[in-house]
Amino acid sequence: GEQVEQRPPHLSVPEGDSAVIICTYTDSATAYFYWYKQEPGAGLQLLMSVFSNVDRKEEQGLTVLLNKKDKQLSLNLTAAHPGDSAVYFCAVSGPGANTGKLTFGHGTILRVHP
Amino acid sequence: DMKVTQMPRYLIKRMGENVLLECGQDMSHETMYWYRQDPGLGLQLIYISYDVDSNSEGDIPKGYRVSRKKREHFSLILDSAKTNQTSVYFCASSLGINYAEQFFGPGTRLTVL
Repeated sequence: GEQVEQRPPHLSVPEGDSAVIICTYTDSATAYFYWYKQEPGAGLQLLMSVFSNVDRKEEQGLTVLLNKKDKQLSLNLTAAHPGDSAVYFCAVSGPGANTGKLTFGHGTILRVHP
Repeated sequence: DMKVTQMPRYLIKRMGENVLLECGQDMSHETMYWYRQDPGLGLQLIYISYDVDSNSEGDIPKGYRVSRKKREHFSLILDSAKTNQTSVYFCASSLGINYAEQFFGPGTRLTVL
């Protein structure tokens, strides 16, 4: 079945720097891609979703890149601030007759220090 | 207000006791999910429910069962809890199986002693 590898597991950046998280998936038929943010003691909050026909999407200081050739999905937080400190998860879902299942990466703990 | 709620938020049980975790959503979503989250492992799908009384095993169903008698309510049951079921459990819902965007509850931290 689908497998997702997420890296790095931990990331520490100074305020104002960019932070990049990368996920690599295995199934070339994967169609839906998501980034979630989890703050301490809370559930996952959807940051951005991307369909497979999109290579790049930007929203509110976040950039998602999708490289289908390398089966790679990335999240770039430009000009990170301390409020961005959280755990970030990528998640992917299959095409067509969707079972509604997501496969998650193992998460990246991001710390943005002043 | 679109919301997924979970009760209780924290629970401590002894090995062998039964555990009931409750989840509710007010969005009339068809599909609901139970996950567990362990450090360094991301989220693992336990069960998925496609609608009332229409449940399907996820990736790690062993030791768990579920009940969905109303669309807005989805329960996770651990009969005779084990210490390796200590985890944080998340419930989620989505509009339907063709809508992969999932909305998550705040989680229940379960400790089995």
